[in-house]
Amino acid sequence: EAGVTQFPSHSVIEKGQTVTLRCDPISGHDNLYWYRRVMGKEIKFLLHFVKESKQDESGMPNNRFLAERTGGTYSTLKVQPAELEDSGVYFCASSQDPPLAGGEQYFGPGTRLTVT
Amino acid sequence: RKEVEQDPGPFNVPEGATVAFNCTYSNSASQSFFWYRQDCRKEPKLLMSVYSSGNEDGRFTAQLNRASQYISLLIRDSKLSDSATYLCVVPTVSGTYKYIFGTGTRLKVLA
Repeated sequence: EAGVTQFPSHSVIEKGQTVTLRCDPISGHDNLYWYRRVMGKEIKFLLHFVKESKQDESGMPNNRFLAERTGGTYSTLKVQPAELEDSGVYFCASSQDPPLAGGEQYFGPGTRLTVT
Repeated sequence: RKEVEQDPGPFNVPEGATVAFNCTYSNSASQSFFWYRQDCRKEPKLLMSVYSSGNEDGRFTAQLNRASQYISLLIRDSKLSDSATYLCVVPTVSGTYKYIFGTGTRLKVLA
């Protein structure tokens, strides 16, 4: 079974440019999460989808970040325009069980974003 | 106070040693807990789940102390391959079940 995949693995962009990150969850996983780790800090939650619906986007830093999951399959996270503080590693995770069942989240390899 | 706190380390231990990490959490209503392992520049991977008092898997033992609100991870007979960052994770108890991460504890096992 294929795991969570993310694309690209690395992205280097200039301040003010736009970047779109993609996540393909494990097939059949309705729950999809985005997290971010900035240098020196812990991994922090950004948002959660159940199928195509956003359940919680309380962790999104500001309106420069837009996440979508059309059709309830893959998800994209767009940063527009990028700022220096957006640099970090963006992880995607998916889980099958409903949250209350305590299902494990499986993480993708992450996208390392560098804004110069 | 942070929701999940860990000693960042690093812990440098010789091969064969026993090492233990602690993690404290602030929400007394938390029901489940995880230890994830993260290698350098890799994704977090589940090491152990803890739902009741504890869990054991080979050389690894996780224990939960609800009264003091901490979980621990014990690694016996450390191997070089155990060198990694160990992340303490406490999911939220309602809503989206999002993960709250500790900063991670770095372990380096020395030959």
